[in-house]
Amino acid sequence: ETGVTQSPTHLIKTRGQQVTLRCSSQSGHNTVSWYQQALGQGPQFIFQYYREEENGRGNFPPRFSGLQFPNYSSELNVNALELDDSALYLCASSLASAGRNGYTFGSGTRLTVV
Amino acid sequence: DQQVKQNSPSLSVQEGRISILNCDYTNSMFDYFLWYKKYPAEGPTFLISISSIKDKNEDGRFTVFLNKSAKHLSLHIVPSQPGDSAVYFCAASEGGGGADGLTFGKGTHLIIQP
Repeated sequence: ETGVTQSPTHLIKTRGQQVTLRCSSQSGHNTVSWYQQALGQGPQFIFQYYREEENGRGNFPPRFSGLQFPNYSSELNVNALELDDSALYLCASSLASAGRNGYTFGSGTRLTVV
Repeated sequence: DQQVKQNSPSLSVQEGRISILNCDYTNSMFDYFLWYKKYPAEGPTFLISISSIKDKNEDGRFTVFLNKSAKHLSLHIVPSQPGDSAVYFCAASEGGGGADGLTFGKGTHLIIQP
């Protein structure tokens, strides 16, 4: 059983650019959520996808968008990057029926905006 | 406005003794609480959870206590082992299904000393 894999592991972008982060869900999981963890902070919920539709969103602006594909993998897209977007981005997958115990997190993508 | 607070950034405990990690919350709509453990360069891993209708949940060396009137929960680890050295996050959610995501605290870095 493979876990959640995220790519790339590290990324450096310039302010104003766009970035796409990728996540492969754990086998059998149909729900994916994304979190942003700034330095010294806990993870913050960005949004969740189920059956390729966004079904929950945290307090993040529309320039944070996502996709979920039929194989349940997912992308996080961030437009017009700002310096404050520098953070660790975590993807978590779960079975919708598993409830809140069932999240499996990936190791994250470290994004640096300069 | 931080709804989940972990006021101790770090905690040092001797091997074999009890580790007690604390967490306070402000949102009385939270109905489920979880603890995650995070090693460097890895994603958070689920440790233990408790529903708001209970006041205690135990799993091996780990016990979580919930005091709803005080809006406080704690994680007890007995006995503490070197492998327990990690950052521990308290998280909470409201409603079912997880579509609102988890609200995390900033974490407590637990250091187990030999």
